[in-house]
Amino acid sequence: AQSVTQLGSHVSVSEGALVLLRCNYSSSVPPYLFWYVQYPNQGLQLLLKYTTGATLVKGINGFEAEFKKSETSFHLTKPSAHMSDAAEYFCAVSDGSGGYNKLIFGAGTRLAVHP
Amino acid sequence: GAGVSQSPSNKVTEKGKDVELRCDPISGHTALYWYRQSLGQGLEFLIYFQGNSAPDKSGLPSDRFSAERTGGSVSTLTIQRTQQEDSAVYLCASSLARDSSYEQYFGPGTRLTVT
Repeated sequence: AQSVTQLGSHVSVSEGALVLLRCNYSSSVPPYLFWYVQYPNQGLQLLLKYTTGATLVKGINGFEAEFKKSETSFHLTKPSAHMSDAAEYFCAVSDGSGGYNKLIFGAGTRLAVHP
Repeated sequence: GAGVSQSPSNKVTEKGKDVELRCDPISGHTALYWYRQSLGQGLEFLIYFQGNSAPDKSGLPSDRFSAERTGGSVSTLTIQRTQQEDSAVYLCASSLARDSSYEQYFGPGTRLTVT
């Protein structure tokens, strides 16, 4: 079975500082990996995804993530945090069983950005 | 264009009552997913519809939960004899195809409170 572990339920950074949100996964097959962001009282929005090809993936709002198979990781980074980045972030892995995209989510990391 | 819409946005019901939650996917999206987001369990897959194929109901937590999708478009999630543990945000998502690389677009969710 697939699973996702997000280290740190809460992360706090200063505006302008590096953002690093950690995600480790387990999968018996080559995974598809996703990062979603959720703003208060809103649905989930896709930040970026890894399916195949280049392991460094760039997403929206200046975020990027690197797929490291040897470390089973897919950490999310942003060089300089902005106040508007404050939200909850979810890492997810695709469960390809049955040939479709059932997402298995991590528990989420709430990012706070302070001045 | 219009995104995924869900109604109602909030629902408060008494324990033991039945509730229906509605999802309107993006036009042309053949795949539709329901997820549940709760404090204790995080984000969980509930059910998946793809075109006219039989749905994957493997994530439904009990036989009190059911869902249908009429005409390959609108979906309704029904919870019978609601319990307090059913309180959660129910999220619907749709995507273009069954392939894992296709992005799932999420609606804003329905917040269900069972009193």
